[in-house]
Amino acid sequence: QSVLTQPPSVSAAPGQKATISCSGSRSNVGNNYVSWYQQLPGTAPKLLIYDNFKRPSGIPDRFSGSKSGTSATLGITGLQTGDEADYYCGTWDDTLSAEVFGGGTKLTVL
Amino acid sequence: QITLRESGPTLVKPTQTLTLTCTFSGFSLNSGGVGVGWIRQPPGKALEWLAVIYWDENIRYSPPLKNSLTIAKDTSKNEVVLTMSNVDSVDTATYYCARRMVGEATFDYWGQGMLVTVSS
Repeated sequence: QSVLTQPPSVSAAPGQKATISCSGSRSNVGNNYVSWYQQLPGTAPKLLIYDNFKRPSGIPDRFSGSKSGTSATLGITGLQTGDEADYYCGTWDDTLSAEVFGGGTKLTVL
Repeated sequence: QITLRESGPTLVKPTQTLTLTCTFSGFSLNSGGVGVGWIRQPPGKALEWLAVIYWDENIRYSPPLKNSLTIAKDTSKNEVVLTMSNVDSVDTATYYCARRMVGEATFDYWGQGMLVTVSS
């Protein structure tokens, strides 16, 4: 049972938009920056979004992040088959004094 | 270019102590605001944070595992070592090390990970 709640799976057609939610509480999402990671099959996680909405160098602007209250959202536009991956949100939890991750969302581009 | 690489045994027996080494390049753990953390992922499951050590020796452990974990750095070798005592089959996972930047509160570079199996 993860501290942050994500939908297990999301699907959308190529070229369309997908959104993945990350729900937490005031002690984590509500009070700290959220990061998003992409994990392609058989590979290590890769940072997509940090500080709620910032993109590291090299990450296309098709990927976006937002936060409102105790929920964060990852948006992916112009979906490509290469975007099929597991996506995780992560943040610090002040109460647990621990980094926490969501359970992950499997994105299918069909 | 920033790289991290995990190394250690791929098979350990229950009750043994697991020692993993993260060797990194392209940054220094002497630099302010820099840390290195460990995250694991059991097969088919989600990421789980284990521990992090910062340039100033500040250390944080996952509360459920704090009694079995030790993290330490060797800045001269650009290494961070994680030890986990009294391992069990539930500790079978891919173990990743990653750079942690205090300013961005994120893990921005990750190692490729290594699968450790706990079995007799």
